[in-house]
Amino acid sequence: EAGVTQFPSHSVIEKGQTVTLRCDPISGHDNLYWYRRVMGKEIKFLLHFVKESKQDESGMPNNRFLAERTGGTYSTLKVQPAELEDSGVYFCASSWTGTSEQYFGPGTRLTVT
Amino acid sequence: GENVEQHPSTLSVQEGDSAVIKCTYSDSASNYFPWYKQELGKRPQLIIDIRSNVGEKKDQRIAVTLNKTAKHFSLHITETQPEDSAVYFCAYLGGSQGNLIFGKGTKLSVKP
Repeated sequence: EAGVTQFPSHSVIEKGQTVTLRCDPISGHDNLYWYRRVMGKEIKFLLHFVKESKQDESGMPNNRFLAERTGGTYSTLKVQPAELEDSGVYFCASSWTGTSEQYFGPGTRLTVT
Repeated sequence: GENVEQHPSTLSVQEGDSAVIKCTYSDSASNYFPWYKQELGKRPQLIIDIRSNVGEKKDQRIAVTLNKTAKHFSLHITETQPEDSAVYFCAYLGGSQGNLIFGKGTKLSVKP
């Protein structure tokens, strides 16, 4: 069984530019989560999809971040315009409905210069 | 707010020694407590978890203990090996919708 995949693995952009991150969850997982780890701090929750619906987006920092999961399969997280403080590692995780175990992707390291 | 304190932030042990990492959480309603291991450049990997209806769970050289009254849970690694070197994160299931609340991580170094 393939694990959670994320693309790209690294992205370096300038302040003010736009970046789109992609996550492909484990096949059949209805739950998809986005998390972020900034410079040695804790991994923090951003939002949670159940299929194509946003179940909880309480962790999204501001309206520069837009997440979508059209069709309930892969998800994208767009940052527009990017700011310096957006730098960090963005993780995606997925899980089966009714289970607590979340399986993480390898992350996308975003550097905003 | 929801948070979890994790200690220590760094831990260095000799190969064969034991390592213990401790976490304290704030949400008394939580009933699921996973531990993740992240090796350098790799994804966080779920290594063990415990639910609130048990006090201890073991899997080979790793064990987790939970004290719900004190809101403490701990990871114990025995007979450490160099390949145990990684950053370990504790977490608990917080919120109403199933998101994980993480500690800041413990960098474990096992010296041969």
